[in-house]
Amino acid sequence: DAKTTQPPSMDCAEGRAANLPCNHSTISGNEYVYWYRQIHSQGPQYIIHGLKNNETNEMASLIITEDRKSSTLILPHATLRDTAVYYCIVRVAGTGNQFYFGTGTSLTVIP
Amino acid sequence: DVKVTQSSRYLVKRTGEKVFLECVQDMDHENMFWYRQDPGLGLRLIYFSYDVKMKEKGDIPEGYSVSREKKERFSLILESASTNQTSMYLCASSFSSASGLDEQYFGPGTRLTVT
Repeated sequence: DAKTTQPPSMDCAEGRAANLPCNHSTISGNEYVYWYRQIHSQGPQYIIHGLKNNETNEMASLIITEDRKSSTLILPHATLRDTAVYYCIVRVAGTGNQFYFGTGTSLTVIP
Repeated sequence: DVKVTQSSRYLVKRTGEKVFLECVQDMDHENMFWYRQDPGLGLRLIYFSYDVKMKEKGDIPEGYSVSREKKERFSLILESASTNQTSMYLCASSFSSASGLDEQYFGPGTRLTVT
C-alpha cells in the first residue's frame, strides 16, 4: 500500500522556489519523512529528512504540518540541475525497515 | 562526502552467464543494499546486509545471491543470467540507527543488459 501521495509532475521557473508537496495521511508517530531525488541515469540522492520539526540544510527545506499528515520540500532557488524525480518516503528508522521508493514527482525546471 | 562506487556503469552479458556486480563504500557503513530499478516499478530491494557475512532477503531475491566478506564491499551475483534480469542495479549503504540517521547513500548504478 502506498504510504505517500505525490503529484506525478511539476514545472518550476529557474530561480524561483520549487515547492513539492507530499501527502502521508496515515503516518504513524514513529515514522520519519525522507526526501530523495534522482537525476536521469544516476542513483537516488538523499536530500533531507525530519520527524516533527521543520528542517533545513544546504540543499532544501522540509516543512511538516503540525498534524504530520503532509509535508513540502522547498528548493529555494531552483536551477536547471534540479530537474529530477523527487521521492517522498515515510518509514520507521532502523535497518530492517525498508525505503520504499514510489513513482515520485518529476520536476522540470524551465529556463 | 560519502562515496559509493559500483564496478561498472554498463554491462552486457549473455543468457546463462554468471554475473558479478561489485559495490564499495568508503564511509564505514554497517548496512549495504542492492536494488533494481525498472520503468514503472520503481526501486525494488533485492538483498541487504547489516554486517559482514550477514544477509537478508529483500522483496525480490529470486535468481540472485550476495556476498559480504568485508565491511566495505557488497557483491550481487546472478548465478545464471536471464533476459528478465536486464535492469538498472543500484547499490546503497547506510549507518545503523534507530533515530532516523540511517539515510541511504546510493552508487551511480550499473545498467545490465542480458542478451
